Amino acid sequence: GIQVEQSPPDLILQEGANSTLRCNFSDSVNNLQWFHQNPWGQLINLFYIPSGTKQNGRLSATTVATERYSLLYISSSQTTDSGVYFCAVRLPITGGGADGLTFGKGTHLIIQP
Amino acid sequence: DGGITQSPKYLFRKEGQNVTLSCEQNLNHDAMYWYRQDPGQGLRLIYYSQIVNDFQKGDIAEGYSVSREKKESFPLTVTSAQKNPTAFYLCASSKWGGGYEQYFGPGTRLTVT
Repeated sequence: GIQVEQSPPDLILQEGANSTLRCNFSDSVNNLQWFHQNPWGQLINLFYIPSGTKQNGRLSATTVATERYSLLYISSSQTTDSGVYFCAVRLPITGGGADGLTFGKGTHLIIQP
Repeated sequence: DGGITQSPKYLFRKEGQNVTLSCEQNLNHDAMYWYRQDPGQGLRLIYYSQIVNDFQKGDIAEGYSVSREKKESFPLTVTSAQKNPTAFYLCASSKWGGGYEQYFGPGTRLTVT
């Protein structure tokens, strides 16, 4: 099956710092999503980005599908950004049938005041 | 409010008992999914359903069963055959087809002793 690797596994930053999280995947995908898991376990959708670049406030993401990686940028970090960030992908399936996401192990981000 | 609800939030069971986790969505999505998360890990796919009365096994279906009698509902039963049932269970839904964003419910934490 497809492999999804996220780096770094852990990241500790001071409030106000910028960060870049990376997601590498081993095959062509037709769905790539970034999630933030908060301390209560809720998965919050950040970006749906199988290719290209998107921005939402202090967060932006870029996926280079031909090189099989995606980057999540967080600028001017706040303590509320703490949590685990997951990248998840889905392989193309002939006929467009629904299938599940394959998740990386996540990046655990801690923002210190 | 449109969304995905899961109940209960916490569930405790004795070993050897079957337990059913609820998942309901009012997003009018055709596809629904069940994932399992273990501490420090990403999510893994248990079962998914593209349409009413149809469902498919995911990567870790052994010891689990599902039903899809209504579009809005996709309950998961954790049977006594599941060897390590203690985990965080998340339900998700999306439009039918691979190129659509998945949205997640708040999850159920199951503890079996």
